[in-house]
Amino acid sequence: EAGVTQFPSHSVIEKGQTVTLRCDPISGHDNLYWYRRVMGKEIKFLLHFVKESKQDESGMPNNRFLAERTGGTYSTLKVQPAELEDSGVYFCASSPLAGAYNEQFFGPGTRLTVL
Amino acid sequence: GESVGLHLPTLSVQEGDNSIINCAYSNSASDYFIWYKQESGKGPQFIIDIRSNMDKRQGQRVTVLLNKTVKHLSLQIAATQPGDSAVYFCAENGAGGTSYGKLTFGQGTILTVHP
Repeated sequence: EAGVTQFPSHSVIEKGQTVTLRCDPISGHDNLYWYRRVMGKEIKFLLHFVKESKQDESGMPNNRFLAERTGGTYSTLKVQPAELEDSGVYFCASSPLAGAYNEQFFGPGTRLTVL
Repeated sequence: GESVGLHLPTLSVQEGDNSIINCAYSNSASDYFIWYKQESGKGPQFIIDIRSNMDKRQGQRVTVLLNKTVKHLSLQIAATQPGDSAVYFCAENGAGGTSYGKLTFGQGTILTVHP
């Protein structure tokens, strides 16, 4: 069974440009999460989808970030316009069930560098 | 605010020794804790979890201890091997609220195992 996949693995962009990250969860997983780790800091929650609906977007830093999950399958996270402080590793995770005690399976992450 | 943090950012051990990685959390309502291992270029990988109604749980070569009195969590790795070298994160999941599944991570400990 394929795990969570993310694309691209690396992205280097100029400040002010737009970048779109993609996450393909494990097939059949209704729950999809985005996290990010800024250099030297802990991994922080961004948002949680249940199917195509946003269950919790309390971690989204500002309105330059837009996440979508049309059709409840893959998800995209767009940063527009990108700022220097957006650099970091963006992780996606999925789980089959909602709830506090369900394992989340993480993708390898997308390393974003904003110059 | 809520936080889950670590006492030591780095830990170096000899192959065959036992390793202990510590974590402190601040939210007394936390009821589920997970340890993740992250190897270079990969996403966090689930190691072991524990619920707040337990104080100890064992897996294969790993043991998690939970002390709710002092809000402390530890991961013990027996007979540490070079393949255990990675960053280890503790995380808390689902201490109430409306969003189950939101993980709150600690900063991470870098474990280096020397042959």
